[in-house]
Amino acid sequence: GDSVTQMEGPVTLSEEAFLTINCTYTATGYPSLFWYVQYPGEGLQLLLKATKADDKGSNKGFEATYRKETTSFHLEKGSVQVSDSAVYFCALKLPPRGGGNKLTFGTGTQLKVEL
Amino acid sequence: EADIYQTPRYLVIGTGKKITLECSQTMGHDKMYWYQQDPGMELHLIHYSYGVNSTEKGDLSSESTVSRIRTEHFPLTLESARPSHTSQYLCASSAWGNTEAFFGQGTRLTVV
Repeated sequence: GDSVTQMEGPVTLSEEAFLTINCTYTATGYPSLFWYVQYPGEGLQLLLKATKADDKGSNKGFEATYRKETTSFHLEKGSVQVSDSAVYFCALKLPPRGGGNKLTFGTGTQLKVEL
Repeated sequence: EADIYQTPRYLVIGTGKKITLECSQTMGHDKMYWYQQDPGMELHLIHYSYGVNSTEKGDLSSESTVSRIRTEHFPLTLESARPSHTSQYLCASSAWGNTEAFFGQGTRLTVV
């Protein structure tokens, strides 16, 4: 079945460090890919998305490129801030055929940024 | 900003009580979802709906039930709460197609 695999956390970085959170997927079709962020005590917010191969999603200094050949959608940021401390979820969504069209999430990666 | 609301944000309730978690969205989305989030952060889909009068069980078995009488409203009910139901419950909605889902702020339920 469809699945998303994320690197395990927690990830602890110093402020201004480079961030990579790996995400790979398995899907039977051509999914859209998403990164969501969850701050403490809150729901999930969409961070960025990409709907087809080679698309790059970007927002708030975060980027991720849809790599069909490696079935990956790694999240990167050049210089993290303390305010980026949160849990990050990678997710996929297949087109609405045969009753599908549900979001499938990875297990989440906790990021902690220290001064 | 997403227009999807969950109430209450926090609920502490005794074992055996009946509870309903409310979820409403004003975006006209046909699809709505309930996720249960365990302390380890993982999200489990427990219910979803494709529109009015449509409800389906999700990937994780749950003793809760849902209804979808109006497009904007997707409440979740537990007939008899137990400590094992203690969790965070997240509601979401989306339009059809490869579009993102919008999430409410969640309800943190504690059953004592």
